[in-house]
Amino acid sequence: NAGVTQTPKFQVLKTGQSMTLQCAQDMNHNSMYWYRQDPGMGLRLIYYSASEGTTDKGEVPNGYNVSRLNKREFSLRLESAAPSQTSVYFCASSYLSSYNEQFFGPGTRLTVL
Amino acid sequence: SQQGEEDPQALSIQEGENATMNCSYKTSINNLQWYRQNSGRGLVHLILIRSNEREKHSGRLRVTLDTSKKSSSLLITASRAADTASYFCATDFKAAGNKLTFGGGTRVLVKP
Repeated sequence: NAGVTQTPKFQVLKTGQSMTLQCAQDMNHNSMYWYRQDPGMGLRLIYYSASEGTTDKGEVPNGYNVSRLNKREFSLRLESAAPSQTSVYFCASSYLSSYNEQFFGPGTRLTVL
Repeated sequence: SQQGEEDPQALSIQEGENATMNCSYKTSINNLQWYRQNSGRGLVHLILIRSNEREKHSGRLRVTLDTSKKSSSLLITASRAADTASYFCATDFKAAGNKLTFGGGTRVLVKP
């Protein structure tokens, strides 16, 4: 039982490049989330998926797209990376939306030059 | 902002002492959760307290919720060096729908 896994762990991009962050959970959770965390700050919600087949914008969705590939997997895509997207990205999942605790992955540290 | 705000931003204590941190918010909630983040790691859930609850315990952790003051506190008793981490409150606002809003966190340093 791996919980929530994220790949890659580290990534360096040049401005304008694209990439996809992968997230998978093996807990049969319905809801999945993508957050970003900037130095010394809390988490800000980028996108979330309350259930398979649905996605919704969070607080800071601009510059990102998501895909809920199936119940297990939720990917985050940066189409044209910008230095302002330098951050640590966390994926999380929960059984039923915000009524339950969220389980977090280890994070992806992204630097955009 | 509806975001929960923790106070203090940083806290330094000796091993064995108690650590208390507070979280304030602005609008009605369904529940409030506390998470811990060790340096360079993901967040780990500590406690969830629902809006109709006033106090919950989990091991050395005690959480209170005062909905009239729109505030919560997290108490860690008999702290250990391993409690060194950042602690975040996360609020499930009734108007937000299916989302948690995280505060900026309290950085706790427990000195041996």
